[in-house]
Amino acid sequence: EVQLVESGGGLVQPGGSLRLSCGASGFTFSSSPMSWVRQTPGKGLEWVSAIGDNGGSTYYADSVKGRFVISRDNSKDTLYLLMNSLRVEDAAIYYCVRHLVTGDTKYFDYWGQGTLVTVSS
Amino acid sequence: EIVLTQSPGTLSLSPGERATLSCRSSQSVSSTRLVWYQQKPGQAPRLLIYGSSSRATGIPDRFSGSGSGTDFTLIISRLETEDFAVYYCLHYGGTPTHTFGQGTRLEI
Repeated sequence: EVQLVESGGGLVQPGGSLRLSCGASGFTFSSSPMSWVRQTPGKGLEWVSAIGDNGGSTYYADSVKGRFVISRDNSKDTLYLLMNSLRVEDAAIYYCVRHLVTGDTKYFDYWGQGTLVTVSS
Repeated sequence: EIVLTQSPGTLSLSPGERATLSCRSSQSVSSTRLVWYQQKPGQAPRLLIYGSSSRATGIPDRFSGSGSGTDFTLIISRLETEDFAVYYCLHYGGTPTHTFGQGTRLEI
């Protein structure tokens, strides 16, 4: 059974940093591109960042580019998101999601349960 | 930048009725990259439909997806109480950026 378990959320002041982790099990983690997706009541679902299966390629939404860093440790089956210079508008539930790619058919299939990030002074 | 617009924002129906949800893209997109999710309160989104029309594993056949180009539709043929939730469409982009619609709330 595929499982994605996020951790690391919490309360942080504006300008602060936080590192999220996502532990994966039930599939070959090193073969799967992964993403972080966040959700706020006001803005709905927003893709944040993606990383290729070997970590060699990383991609970011314009809203987080230059502040967030996505990485992975395939030896530990773990995905990370280092969030720097946090803003009030970064407050959200952050989900770890698995990409499934079959030819030209591509989508996010499995989602973790999410971890809540609150940015407030 | 692709923008996905879902309509209606809220759909009020009764069990047994048919629900039709729309997802319109600002540009033509490949149907192989159009996805539908269901989200219930306090839960993560759940994959329903991928490739615009293929049901995910375990999804009942009352859920169906269709469309091409800029217009995509999710139909729930006979609503059951557990179907009342928020539905999102996603375009899995190639740049890659991935875009979600703003959601349709399906309520009793």
